[in-house]
Amino acid sequence: GEDVEQSLFLSVREGDSSVINCTYTDSSSTYLYWYKQEPGAGLQLLTYIFSNMDMKQDQRLTVLLNKKDKHLSLRIADTQTGDSAIYFCAESIGTGGFKTIFGAGTRLFVKA
Amino acid sequence: DAMVIQNPRYQVTQFGKPVTLSCSQTLNHNVMYWYQQKSSQAPKLLFHYYDKDFNNEADTPDNFQSRRPNTSFCFLDIRSPGLGDAAMYLCATSDSGSGGDEQYFGPGTRLTVT
Repeated sequence: GEDVEQSLFLSVREGDSSVINCTYTDSSSTYLYWYKQEPGAGLQLLTYIFSNMDMKQDQRLTVLLNKKDKHLSLRIADTQTGDSAIYFCAESIGTGGFKTIFGAGTRLFVKA
Repeated sequence: DAMVIQNPRYQVTQFGKPVTLSCSQTLNHNVMYWYQQKSSQAPKLLFHYYDKDFNNEADTPDNFQSRRPNTSFCFLDIRSPGLGDAAMYLCATSDSGSGGDEQYFGPGTRLTVT
């Protein structure tokens, strides 16, 4: 079945890079996403990558996709305390994006 | 400006007492979703509307219903809330014509069942 897995916690020092990893099972994914959730708030889309791309860079964010291994990563350069949040990996199944499977989220702690 | 609005932000209801959660959007997106998110878990899709077409997930309990009277509004009705229905309920929207199928989320309604 469809599943998205990610580690639950990551702790980094302010100024370091953070790398959050995710694996997924459905090879028919069209888009893969990273969402950020701050306490008490909804999910905010950070970035997404089309399944035929290997990499996407957006300011401090770099997304790497290894489609063969079904592995997605999010690198945050120069991590700041404001980056502390839960980061959700998600995959869109099929066309239209109506079925999006989320991982359980990785809680990022940034130590000053 | 808020684009996906959920009211109320916090809702307390009694066991078995029907409750309705509201969502509105200013994005004019044609797809709207309801997710249930329990603590430290992934958001779980309950159902979505593609325009007026309602699409229920196979494992969504019958206790959960939804209404979409127009493009802007969508409601989640829980007919007889149980203790296990206490969760954050997230509304989201998307534009089926967009390239990335990205979803825009509201801030959520936290439901407590006493």
